[in-house]
Amino acid sequence: GESVGLHLPTLSVQEGDNSIINCAYSNSASDYFIWYKQESGKGPQFIIDIRSNMDKRQGQRVTVLLNKTVKHLSLQIAATQPGDSAVYFCAENTSGTYKYIFGTGTRLKVLA
Amino acid sequence: EAGVAQSPRYKIIEKRQSVAFWCNPISGHATLYWYQQILGQGPKLLIQFQNNGVVDDSQLPKDRFSAERLKGVDSTLKIQPAKLEDSAVYLCASSWGSGNTIYFGEGSWLTVV
Repeated sequence: GESVGLHLPTLSVQEGDNSIINCAYSNSASDYFIWYKQESGKGPQFIIDIRSNMDKRQGQRVTVLLNKTVKHLSLQIAATQPGDSAVYFCAENTSGTYKYIFGTGTRLKVLA
Repeated sequence: EAGVAQSPRYKIIEKRQSVAFWCNPISGHATLYWYQQILGQGPKLLIQFQNNGVVDDSQLPKDRFSAERLKGVDSTLKIQPAKLEDSAVYLCASSWGSGNTIYFGEGSWLTVV
């Protein structure tokens, strides 16, 4: 299948290092956020989510940090592996509305 | 639990032809979305259904795109006539309800030549 995001910002990290992917969201009223991973030729896959009443949430090897003051979201991946190579999107949602707004995405390349 | 199913996965058509994509959401999910993803961009919402009713179709090019979800489960998205700029991935997604986590299918890759 086609590669997604040929012109996206790219983050290159060495295998085993930690990765930090950033996202600036647009709506200060947004209260629910999701990180998705999209591998080449596949649809976006849910990684982790966080609601605005939290600043941090941890999953398996992943941590999401939310800074509402500056409308910033980050995804931290510990001990990055080759299988983490993909495009990562953040999405925001506001209670009472129906829309998810997606960021432009960041391509993560893991170097062996 | 089965995920969101989409077909066909790949389609190549000539401009001015028509194409239809099918989606079967996760069982029990009331909300179904169709997104368009242009190469290098994030997904853009085309239409959102709650059961068999349309919640939002404000970004659907209604002169050429149509979608339906007649029985509140499966959905089809049609493009007629296709233009070159319609070349994209068409992603179907579903959720329990609006504002809940949305889960995507693998996408239908359309190339218009």
